[in-house]
Amino acid sequence: SQELEQSPQSLIVQEGKNLTINCTSSKTLYGLYWYKQKYGEGLIFLMMLQKGGEEKSHEKITAKLDEKKQQSSLHITASQPSHAGIYLCGAATTSGTYKYIFGTGTRLKVLA
Amino acid sequence: NAGVTQTPKFRILKIGQSMTLQCTQDMNHNYMYWYRQDPGMGLKLIYYSVGAGITDKGEVPNGYNVSRSTTEDFPLRLELAAPSQTSVYFCASSYRQGRGKSNQPQHFGDGTRLSIL
Repeated sequence: SQELEQSPQSLIVQEGKNLTINCTSSKTLYGLYWYKQKYGEGLIFLMMLQKGGEEKSHEKITAKLDEKKQQSSLHITASQPSHAGIYLCGAATTSGTYKYIFGTGTRLKVLA
Repeated sequence: NAGVTQTPKFRILKIGQSMTLQCTQDMNHNYMYWYRQDPGMGLKLIYYSVGAGITDKGEVPNGYNVSRSTTEDFPLRLELAAPSQTSVYFCASSYRQGRGKSNQPQHFGDGTRLSIL
């Protein structure tokens, strides 16, 4: 079973709509990272969340880490075709470790 | 502003051939990693390194070897290519954080798409 579960696996939305992607762990997280991946490219780092209850925003993308530090959500407001791609969450489940785990990704398509 | 650079971007190998995937970073990160990404499977850690001269196995090390002679470079070697090694390979790097602190994010290269026929 996957240590870091993402939902949904794929999403198709009309341009201008809001959407949310979730990332859930059974363990406490020591850093939660959101990445975006386009075909033919690597993973582009979006945001890092560290503290329970923390929320960060970049342009129209907002990410939150719940108080227990076991779940994060990524919310896109007024989606645009440029938001299309695969969103992955990554996390460290031990402090000061090499070991990072990753979700399987959410494939987002935005229809113009 | 190079970050993590991987070469080549694409490669087709025949079964039994060998090759080296190159990875270099210019951020002075001490940790470096090699992952493979298979469809629907997420990222699997192949090998990692915590500094020059130190490497260790990840989840799926069989069929691969690595070396870390400098802080900047972390090549991945496939000795006898097999069809099961067809995948997208990503190199990443990060700073090490002390215990009790949140880990810093990993920074990724653009990947190498490898097909073995």
